Amino acid sequence: KNQVEQSPQSLIILEGKNCTLQCNYTVSPFSNLRWYKQDTGRGPVSLTIMTFSENTKSNGRYTATLDADTKQSSLHITASQLSDSASYICVVSPLGGYNKLIFGAGTRLAVHP
Amino acid sequence: NAGVTQTPKFRVLKTGQSMTLLCAQDMNHEYMYWYRQDPGMGLRLIHYSVGEGTTAKGEVPDGYNVSRLKKQNFLLGLESAAPSQTSVYFCASSQTDPSGEAYNEQFFGPGTRLTVL
Repeated sequence: KNQVEQSPQSLIILEGKNCTLQCNYTVSPFSNLRWYKQDTGRGPVSLTIMTFSENTKSNGRYTATLDADTKQSSLHITASQLSDSASYICVVSPLGGYNKLIFGAGTRLAVHP
Repeated sequence: NAGVTQTPKFRVLKTGQSMTLLCAQDMNHEYMYWYRQDPGMGLRLIHYSVGEGTTAKGEVPDGYNVSRLKKQNFLLGLESAAPSQTSVYFCASSQTDPSGEAYNEQFFGPGTRLTVL
Protein backbone atom coordinates (compact mmCIF):
# COMPACT_ATOMS: atom_id res chain seq x y z
CA LYS A 1 0.00 0.00 0.00
CA ASN A 2 1.30 3.46 -0.90
CA GLN A 3 2.12 5.36 2.25
CA VAL A 4 3.84 8.55 3.37
CA GLU A 5 5.13 8.73 6.93
CA GLN A 6 6.55 11.82 8.56
CA SER A 7 8.65 12.27 11.66
CA PRO A 8 8.64 13.66 14.18
CA GLN A 9 4.93 14.25 14.75
CA SER A 10 5.74 17.47 16.54
CA LEU A 11 8.81 19.54 17.28
CA ILE A 12 9.64 22.55 19.42
CA ILE A 13 12.71 24.66 18.69
CA LEU A 14 14.03 28.03 19.72
CA GLU A 15 14.00 30.94 17.33
CA GLY A 16 17.15 31.10 15.26
CA LYS A 17 17.87 27.37 15.46
CA ASN A 18 17.87 24.97 12.51
CA CYS A 19 15.74 21.86 12.22
CA THR A 20 15.17 18.94 9.87
CA LEU A 21 11.89 17.18 9.20
CA GLN A 22 11.76 13.68 7.74
CA CYS A 23 9.52 11.99 5.20
CA ASN A 24 9.61 8.30 4.24
CA TYR A 25 7.42 6.96 1.46
CA THR A 26 6.61 3.65 -0.16
CA VAL A 27 4.99 5.07 -3.30
CA SER A 28 6.18 3.42 -6.50
CA PRO A 29 6.40 4.29 -9.30
CA PHE A 30 6.91 7.83 -8.22
CA SER A 31 6.57 11.10 -10.11
CA ASN A 32 7.32 13.90 -7.71
CA LEU A 33 7.46 14.86 -4.06
CA ARG A 34 6.21 18.09 -2.55
CA TRP A 35 6.50 19.85 0.75
CA TYR A 36 3.67 22.10 1.90
CA LYS A 37 3.45 24.53 4.80
CA GLN A 38 0.10 24.79 6.56
CA ASP A 39 -0.46 27.60 9.04
CA THR A 40 -3.09 27.02 11.71
CA GLY A 41 -6.55 27.58 10.26
CA ARG A 42 -5.28 27.97 6.70
CA GLY A 43 -4.87 25.83 3.62
CA PRO A 44 -1.54 24.21 2.66
CA VAL A 45 0.87 26.32 0.63
CA SER A 46 3.52 24.77 -1.60
CA LEU A 47 7.17 25.16 -0.55
CA THR A 48 9.00 22.87 -2.97
CA ILE A 49 8.33 20.30 -5.67
CA MET A 50 10.98 17.78 -6.74
CA THR A 51 10.91 15.15 -9.44
CA PHE A 52 12.54 11.78 -8.90
CA SER A 53 15.68 13.01 -10.68
CA GLU A 54 16.24 16.00 -8.39
CA ASN A 55 18.27 15.71 -5.19
CA THR A 56 17.68 19.09 -3.64
CA LYS A 57 15.46 22.15 -4.01
CA SER A 58 15.60 25.37 -2.04
CA ASN A 59 13.05 28.07 -1.31
CA GLY A 60 14.64 30.75 0.84
CA ARG A 61 15.44 29.27 4.24
CA TYR A 62 13.75 25.99 3.29
CA THR A 63 15.80 23.25 1.63
CA ALA A 64 14.29 19.93 0.61
CA THR A 65 16.36 16.89 -0.24
CA LEU A 66 15.32 13.69 -1.92
CA ASP A 67 16.90 10.24 -2.01
CA ALA A 68 14.81 8.23 -4.46
CA ASP A 69 16.84 5.09 -3.81
CA THR A 70 15.99 4.97 -0.11
CA LYS A 71 12.62 6.68 -0.62
CA GLN A 72 13.40 9.40 1.88
CA SER A 73 13.04 13.15 1.83
CA SER A 74 13.90 15.82 4.35
CA LEU A 75 13.00 19.46 4.81
CA HIS A 76 15.67 21.58 6.45
CA ILE A 77 14.74 24.95 7.92
CA THR A 78 17.60 27.34 8.55
CA ALA A 79 17.63 30.13 11.13
CA SER A 80 14.04 29.52 12.19
CA GLN A 81 11.63 32.38 12.73
CA LEU A 82 8.44 32.58 14.77
CA SER A 83 6.51 32.63 11.50
CA ASP A 84 7.83 29.15 10.71
CA SER A 85 5.45 27.76 13.34
CA ALA A 86 3.13 25.60 11.26
CA SER A 87 2.51 22.06 10.07
CA TYR A 88 4.73 20.79 7.28
CA ILE A 89 3.22 18.20 5.00
CA CYS A 90 5.04 15.82 2.68
CA VAL A 91 3.06 14.80 -0.40
CA VAL A 92 4.05 12.12 -2.88
CA SER A 93 2.59 11.86 -6.35
CA PRO A 94 2.43 8.44 -8.00
CA LEU A 95 3.33 8.32 -11.68
CA GLY A 96 0.28 9.11 -13.77
CA GLY A 97 -1.94 9.65 -10.75
CA TYR A 98 -3.02 13.27 -10.54
CA ASN A 99 -6.01 12.20 -8.51
CA LYS A 100 -3.98 10.01 -6.18
CA LEU A 101 -1.68 12.39 -4.30
CA ILE A 102 -0.69 10.78 -1.03
CA PHE A 103 -0.41 13.16 1.91
CA GLY A 104 1.56 12.58 5.03
CA ALA A 105 -0.02 13.49 8.36
CA GLY A 106 2.43 16.34 8.81
CA THR A 107 4.95 17.52 11.38
CA ARG A 108 3.75 20.29 13.67
CA LEU A 109 6.59 22.73 14.31
CA ALA A 110 6.52 25.31 17.09
CA VAL A 111 9.21 28.00 17.16
CA HIS A 112 9.56 29.65 20.54
CA PRO A 113 11.28 32.98 21.25
CA ASN B 1 -6.49 37.63 -7.58
CA ALA B 2 -8.33 36.02 -4.70
CA GLY B 3 -7.02 32.54 -5.60
CA VAL B 4 -9.22 29.81 -4.14
CA THR B 5 -12.04 30.86 -1.84
CA GLN B 6 -14.41 28.71 0.19
CA THR B 7 -17.73 29.44 1.83
CA PRO B 8 -18.73 29.11 4.56
CA LYS B 9 -15.70 29.14 6.88
CA PHE B 10 -17.52 27.38 9.70
CA ARG B 11 -20.73 25.40 9.96
CA VAL B 12 -22.49 23.29 12.57
CA LEU B 13 -25.07 20.77 11.41
CA LYS B 14 -27.33 18.30 13.09
CA THR B 15 -27.28 14.67 12.01
CA GLY B 16 -29.41 14.20 8.92
CA GLN B 17 -29.25 17.79 7.72
CA SER B 18 -27.88 18.64 4.31
CA MET B 19 -25.62 21.44 3.13
CA THR B 20 -23.49 22.62 0.24
CA LEU B 21 -19.94 23.91 0.41
CA LEU B 22 -18.89 26.31 -2.31
CA CYS B 23 -15.43 26.59 -3.80
CA ALA B 24 -14.49 29.28 -6.29
CA GLN B 25 -11.21 29.92 -8.11
CA ASP B 26 -10.23 32.85 -10.29
CA MET B 27 -7.09 31.35 -11.84
CA ASN B 28 -8.88 29.70 -14.78
CA HIS B 29 -7.71 26.28 -13.60
CA GLU B 30 -9.08 23.15 -15.24
CA TYR B 31 -8.66 20.78 -12.30
CA MET B 32 -10.45 21.15 -8.98
CA TYR B 33 -10.49 18.92 -5.92
CA TRP B 34 -12.24 18.44 -2.59
CA TYR B 35 -10.29 17.03 0.35
CA ARG B 36 -11.03 16.37 3.97
CA GLN B 37 -8.47 16.71 6.74
CA ASP B 38 -8.89 14.81 9.99
CA PRO B 39 -6.64 14.94 13.07
CA GLY B 40 -3.56 12.74 12.77
CA MET B 41 -4.26 11.90 9.15
CA GLY B 42 -3.18 13.22 5.80
CA LEU B 43 -5.60 14.97 3.50
CA ARG B 44 -7.86 12.55 1.67
CA LEU B 45 -9.44 13.17 -1.71
CA ILE B 46 -13.25 13.11 -1.76
CA HIS B 47 -14.08 14.06 -5.36
CA TYR B 48 -12.35 15.86 -8.17
CA SER B 49 -13.05 17.42 -11.54
CA VAL B 50 -10.87 17.68 -14.63
CA GLY B 51 -13.03 20.30 -16.31
CA GLU B 52 -16.40 22.00 -16.47
CA GLY B 53 -19.21 19.46 -16.42
CA THR B 54 -17.02 16.58 -15.22
CA THR B 55 -16.67 14.97 -11.81
CA ALA B 56 -15.07 11.80 -10.49
CA LYS B 57 -14.78 9.92 -7.22
CA GLY B 58 -11.73 10.10 -5.06
CA GLU B 59 -10.62 8.00 -2.13
CA VAL B 60 -13.53 8.73 0.26
CA PRO B 61 -16.59 9.72 -1.81
CA ASP B 62 -19.39 8.06 0.20
CA GLY B 63 -21.95 10.49 1.59
CA TYR B 64 -20.86 13.35 -0.68
CA ASN B 65 -21.88 14.64 -4.09
CA VAL B 66 -20.28 17.29 -6.27
CA SER B 67 -21.09 19.45 -9.25
CA ARG B 68 -18.99 21.54 -11.63
CA LEU B 69 -21.49 23.53 -13.65
CA LYS B 70 -19.09 26.42 -14.18
CA LYS B 71 -15.34 26.18 -14.63
CA GLN B 72 -14.62 28.47 -11.71
CA ASN B 73 -16.93 26.77 -9.18
CA PHE B 74 -16.89 23.36 -7.56
CA LEU B 75 -19.67 22.48 -5.11
CA LEU B 76 -19.55 19.77 -2.46
CA GLY B 77 -22.85 18.53 -1.08
CA LEU B 78 -23.59 16.50 2.02
CA GLU B 79 -26.87 14.69 1.47
CA SER B 80 -27.53 13.58 5.05
CA ALA B 81 -24.81 14.69 7.43
CA ALA B 82 -23.32 12.20 9.89
CA PRO B 83 -20.98 12.80 12.85
CA SER B 84 -18.25 10.94 10.89
CA GLN B 85 -18.28 13.84 8.43
CA THR B 86 -17.05 16.25 11.08
CA SER B 87 -13.84 17.47 9.52
CA VAL B 88 -12.06 20.36 7.86
CA TYR B 89 -12.78 20.48 4.14
CA PHE B 90 -10.32 21.93 1.67
CA CYS B 91 -10.84 22.78 -1.95
CA ALA B 92 -7.89 22.97 -4.32
CA SER B 93 -7.28 23.74 -7.97
CA SER B 94 -4.48 23.19 -10.45
CA GLN B 95 -3.86 24.10 -14.05
CA THR B 96 -2.92 20.66 -15.28
CA ASP B 97 -2.16 17.21 -13.98
CA PRO B 98 -0.09 17.92 -10.85
CA SER B 99 1.71 14.61 -11.02
CA GLY B 100 2.70 14.75 -14.67
CA GLU B 101 6.15 15.60 -15.97
CA ALA B 102 5.08 19.19 -16.54
CA TYR B 103 3.68 19.31 -13.08
CA ASN B 104 1.87 22.26 -11.58
CA GLU B 105 1.15 22.80 -7.95
CA GLN B 106 -2.25 22.60 -6.33
CA PHE B 107 -3.53 25.81 -4.78
CA PHE B 108 -5.63 25.33 -1.68
CA GLY B 109 -8.47 27.36 -0.23
CA PRO B 110 -8.61 28.38 3.45
CA GLY B 111 -10.87 25.49 4.45
CA THR B 112 -14.33 24.98 5.93
CA ARG B 113 -14.60 23.62 9.45
CA LEU B 114 -17.72 21.45 9.68
CA THR B 115 -19.11 19.96 12.87
CA VAL B 116 -21.95 17.46 12.76
CA LEU B 117 -23.72 16.92 16.06
